[in-house]
Amino acid sequence: DIQMTQSPSSLSASVGDRVTITCRASQNINNFLNWYQQKPGKAPKLLIYAASSLQSGVPSRFSGTRSGTDFTLTISSLQPEDFATYYCQQSFKTPLSFGQGTKLEI
Amino acid sequence: QVTLKESGPVLVTPTETLTLTCSVSGFSLSNPRMGVSWIRQSPGKALEWLAHIFSDDEKSYSTSLKSRLTISKDTSRSQVVLTMTNMDPVDTGSYYCARESRSRPGADALDMWGPGTTVIVSS
Repeated sequence: DIQMTQSPSSLSASVGDRVTITCRASQNINNFLNWYQQKPGKAPKLLIYAASSLQSGVPSRFSGTRSGTDFTLTISSLQPEDFATYYCQQSFKTPLSFGQGTKLEI
Repeated sequence: QVTLKESGPVLVTPTETLTLTCSVSGFSLSNPRMGVSWIRQSPGKALEWLAHIFSDDEKSYSTSLKSRLTISKDTSRSQVVLTMTNMDPVDTGSYYCARESRSRPGADALDMWGPGTTVIVSS
């Protein structure tokens, strides 16, 4: 199975900050990497698919990049509504798998 | 408008079999580029993918839970059913179904989610 390792597990930041979350795959997954945002008590929401494509309706301050098996989610200027938990997920091979999550706190 | 909605029992007794239903609207389970995945989340823990099914009856399961899971679909009723046998208190958590979209080249993502349903395993 493909393992996804996210870092950091938690992150403290302020409104207006630029933040970066990293996800490393245990093997090549090409661009089959997605990012989700989850707020407490809610279902996750797709932000980025195929490593760098912005899902419709998601603000442009969110972006994703790939370098080999390393993937990065960047929020260019944090807004109050961005404080949440973020997950990466690979869809290159079944079983699909998620990272352990990054909790973004004020 | 695409919607998914999970339904099933809130409380399950240990060793029982859990049956969850995902009712979908706004897309067809016969669409070859759309499938349905089940994902769960134990309290305070990360998301865990369980299984998926596509229109051609392609199915796949979590390696660790494969022996306990069965996924099926009723295309005419727009429903996907997940059964999990031999439930244990560690299976307590929120269970989500999500549309898995392969509609864009080189992409496979869970683009629409149901609100989730809570399952508590306790005697």
